[in-house]
Amino acid sequence: ETGVTQTPRHLVMGMTNKKSLKCEQHLGHNAMYWYKQSAKKPLELMFVYNFKEQTENNSVPSRFSPECPNSSHLFLHLHTLQPEDSALYLCASSQDKRDRETGANVLTFGAGSRLTVL
Amino acid sequence: GENVEQHPSTLSVQEGDSAVIKCTYSDSASNYFPWYKQELGKRPQLIIDIRSNVGEKKDQRIAVTLNKTAKHFSLHITETQPEDSAVYFCAASRRTGNQFYFGTGTSLTVIP
Repeated sequence: ETGVTQTPRHLVMGMTNKKSLKCEQHLGHNAMYWYKQSAKKPLELMFVYNFKEQTENNSVPSRFSPECPNSSHLFLHLHTLQPEDSALYLCASSQDKRDRETGANVLTFGAGSRLTVL
Repeated sequence: GENVEQHPSTLSVQEGDSAVIKCTYSDSASNYFPWYKQELGKRPQLIIDIRSNVGEKKDQRIAVTLNKTAKHFSLHITETQPEDSAVYFCAASRRTGNQFYFGTGTSLTVIP
């Protein structure tokens, strides 16, 4: 494992279900992300949390609700999803760099949660 | 915002040949360009990256070139091997900050 763990790895849910995806990072990073990966599309950034504060929300429908209780854990709560929401949901973390620091803001991904909405 | 385009979407090469994947970006403020490799059923992993103050970077059989003026960058894999078969994603970002813009991916198949 690379230090970013996602559960569950596979999830099948009906459109009326409520479920949650969980992500945990053991890298000491201060930023965490949710990405959606669909076939033949770029990785789509959904949410970014920096020091537990949400800094990005890329026009994601409200049926997706993120939660970041601390800098090591990130959740994605799912409610009344649509079949087109079926995809691989990837969590990532990074050590957000400040202007004068060297190095770059490198993303480390989890293995993903494969979601199927029936 | 940034727009990253990646070509080709699929690429097949004979083992031992070279493979080249190209990406263009639109935001001149982008200054960090990572490449990720995603094997089937696995997570994307960083394989090489380049910053805008460098024109080329090599790591064994992998190299990346950057043309800031033209806003394009490329991944070069030489002496390809079957284990190079995967989907490769380019991305553009600012060196600091949280926004990474990804290309659509290139599915590379190396034929033994």
